[in-house]
Amino acid sequence: SQKIEQNSEALNIQEGKTATLTCNYTNYSPAYLQWYRQDPGRGPVFLLLIRENEKEKRKERLKVTFDTTLKQSLFHITASQPADSATYLCALALYGQNFVFGPGTRLSVLP
Amino acid sequence: KAGVTQTPRYLIKTRGQQVTLSCSPISGHRSVSWYQQTPGQGLQFLFEYFSETQRNKGNFPGRFSGRQFSNSRSEMNVSTLELGDSALYLCASSVDSVLTNEKLFFGSGTQLSVL
Repeated sequence: SQKIEQNSEALNIQEGKTATLTCNYTNYSPAYLQWYRQDPGRGPVFLLLIRENEKEKRKERLKVTFDTTLKQSLFHITASQPADSATYLCALALYGQNFVFGPGTRLSVLP
Repeated sequence: KAGVTQTPRYLIKTRGQQVTLSCSPISGHRSVSWYQQTPGQGLQFLFEYFSETQRNKGNFPGRFSGRQFSNSRSEMNVSTLELGDSALYLCASSVDSVLTNEKLFFGSGTQLSVL
């Protein structure tokens, strides 16, 4: 069956450390993958997109990798800050179809 | 440029009633898609409208319907409400159809509570 999972429901890290979030999927062949941030009571906000033929993308303190062999994407936030505390969602973009979202990881950055 | 606007922000209904939610996309965006978000099921795709036509539909019962107007504004209707319909309903707009895998711009959602 098709499945998309994110490593843990919640992740606590200390301010200044690097947060690493994982997105794994099975039985999907995504055209590309996106990461969104969602704050409580708000809609998700787009962060980064990585295509199937790309290994890594960066944007400021954010980095995402995509391994289509492992069927996994890693999302890194370096020098994390309390303001980075939010839920992070990965989304698979499927050829000619809608997006499929992962369950999300709630990140808490502790001062 | 104004973002995606959803109204109302909160709704409380009772079982058996129906509800209509509204979404105004970003100016120039022709695609509007709707998602249901619950703590147990996460974000689930309901349907997408593009140029007033439903282009794609998720796995939800026929009680969930929608439409899009010529100005790209969209409405979603849920009839015969059930307790399990309590959720955050999110609308997302994109420049082109979701079928071409565009990045999505979400509204803040309508929090629906069914009592």
